[in-house]
Amino acid sequence: TQLLEQSPQFLSIQEGENLTVYCNSSSVFSSLQWYRQEPGEGPVLLVTVVTGGEVKKLKRLTFQFGDARKDSSLHITAAQPGDTGLYLCAAKGWSNQAGTALIFGKGTTLSVSS
Amino acid sequence: DAGITQSPRYKITETGRQVTLMCHQTWSHSYMFWYRQDLGHGLRLIYYSAAADITDKGEVPDGYVVSRSKTENFPLTLESATRSQTSVYFCASSESSRTVNYGYTFGSGTRLTVV
Repeated sequence: TQLLEQSPQFLSIQEGENLTVYCNSSSVFSSLQWYRQEPGEGPVLLVTVVTGGEVKKLKRLTFQFGDARKDSSLHITAAQPGDTGLYLCAAKGWSNQAGTALIFGKGTTLSVSS
Repeated sequence: DAGITQSPRYKITETGRQVTLMCHQTWSHSYMFWYRQDLGHGLRLIYYSAAADITDKGEVPDGYVVSRSKTENFPLTLESATRSQTSVYFCASSESSRTVNYGYTFGSGTRLTVV
């Protein structure tokens, strides 16, 4: 089973600051997804990146897939308290007779204070 | 209501008891999954299913049983609950395609405590 390493594990910042979280692996993936999870809820899909070097923007969030498709980053510009949550990267890393399934990184817990 | 629902939302059970967590989706998604989420371990795959009557083990299947007689339901049973199975359990579903990378839609989770 491949591993997805996320860093940092925890991040506590003030409103208005910029931040970047990382997702790294030694394996090559055909695609990678980012999810956000709020307390007491399940993860919610933010974006899927497919092509090496691809950059996708979602309002103040910028996602990049590494050229070699082994890593990805999430950059948040001018963070707001509403960005607080657990950010998870995921990729298809489990394969068996029933098909493939996502493996998840352990996540980055982001806290944005006003 | 459309979506994916898990029940119960909270459950406390005793060691050795059998307990079943329910998962129901209304989209007719082919794929369904069970994950457990624990501090320090993140989300780990327990079992998944590609269609009715097609299931397979994930990373941490020991002590769990699943069934999928209907596309919309994917119950997870703990045959004899142990304290190590105290966790938050998430069910998810997804469409399938060879060319499109669909994301997973998760339920709100079941917080299970084994005492």
